[in-house]
Amino acid sequence: DAGVTQSPTHLIKTRGQQVTLRCSPKSGHDTVSWYQQALGQGPQFIFQYYEEEERQRGNFPDRFSGHQFPNYSSELNVNALLLGDSALYLCASSLELARRNSPLHFGNGTRLTVT
Amino acid sequence: RKEVEQDPGPFNVPEGATVAFNCTYSNSASQSFFWYRQDCRKEPKLLMSVYSSGNEDGRFTAQLNRASQYISLLIRDSKLSDSATYLCVVNRGSDGQNFVFGPGTRLSVLP
Repeated sequence: DAGVTQSPTHLIKTRGQQVTLRCSPKSGHDTVSWYQQALGQGPQFIFQYYEEEERQRGNFPDRFSGHQFPNYSSELNVNALLLGDSALYLCASSLELARRNSPLHFGNGTRLTVT
Repeated sequence: RKEVEQDPGPFNVPEGATVAFNCTYSNSASQSFFWYRQDCRKEPKLLMSVYSSGNEDGRFTAQLNRASQYISLLIRDSKLSDSATYLCVVNRGSDGQNFVFGPGTRLSVLP
């Protein structure tokens, strides 16, 4: 049973560049959420995708965008990178049908460093 | 004030000790609650869901007090392998999923 997979595991970019992170949800899951986790802090919600649409969004600027594909996989795009975007980016999947009682299952994360 | 707050930590305890973590949440419409464990530079992993009646899983006991908007996690007979950051997670979605994470409390179990 495949868990949540993310790629790449590490990435180094310079300010102003653009980055795309990828996520495949756990088998059987249909909802994908993205989180940003800075060092020493809890994960911060970026947005959530279900049925190929952004269903909810956290307090992140429009530089952060995403997409969900028909196979439920998802991408997170960040434009015009800032030094402050350096963080661990976590993808989590869950099952919409279970709604509020369905816990999140996380991938290993992508560690992004912006120089 | 943050929506989900936790004991600031870190907690340094000897092996075999009992340790309790506290968490409070501000959104009274929150519907479901979880504890996650996160090892250094790894992803969070579900430790246990928290039910209104309280629940236990081996050495771990979780309690929920909706009136006080308070969640707790008790770890008995601490092991070295329990060393990690413990994240309190609240789903405030009344119809769906809207998870909010606390900042986490770091635990170090010492030999």
